[in-house]
Amino acid sequence: IAGITQAPTSQILAAGRRMTLRCTQDMRHNAMYWYRQDLGLGLRLIHYSNTAGTTGKGEVPDGYSVSRANTDDFPLTLASAVPSQTSVYFCASSEQGAGNEQFFGPGTRLTVL
Amino acid sequence: GENVEQHPSTLSVQEGDSAVIKCTYSDSASNYFPWYKQELGKRPQLIIDIRSNVGEKKDQRIAVTLNKTAKHFSLHITETQPEDSAVYFCAALRNYKLSFGAGTTVTVRA
Repeated sequence: IAGITQAPTSQILAAGRRMTLRCTQDMRHNAMYWYRQDLGLGLRLIHYSNTAGTTGKGEVPDGYSVSRANTDDFPLTLASAVPSQTSVYFCASSEQGAGNEQFFGPGTRLTVL
Repeated sequence: GENVEQHPSTLSVQEGDSAVIKCTYSDSASNYFPWYKQELGKRPQLIIDIRSNVGEKKDQRIAVTLNKTAKHFSLHITETQPEDSAVYFCAALRNYKLSFGAGTTVTVRA
């Protein structure tokens, strides 16, 4: 693994289903983030984690949950997907807090039908 | 929370000309302002950033200026080249969270 990876690359999901998007980084960064990107709205922060064991809510947290059991992994879970969660999801990480360069993963394109 | 507005939403420039993108932010406590470039189908990547104790920063053909009093910051790209065509996002940091502008699609015409 080099940098930050996400899985799956894309997914089509039926409404009401549970889905976990995976994110792994090997840079030993303390901070990790989940964003969603929608046309005309830019990138919006869903949840973040400043260090392993802690998480916080971003701008659009409803319908999503995260966990940070270790430094490397930061999964994002949709408990019961809805069509409005159709989006491109980017995971990112930075050395310390958000005041440092954030390195983005390749993204996951999620379609909820 | 922080509100970041970005203008224009699209920008078309002739190769060799300059491009300027402007952003305003609402929270005077914001203290870090990065700019990200996203090529089609790719991930966003940092191109330049500025902190609130600096008024201007330059890196080759790219420069960023910050006016804390007016709460706005701008990206300047000089001598544009075809590879500058992309979507550019500004952002502002407040309380560990980055708020992004909606993006500017820059097209450089050959």
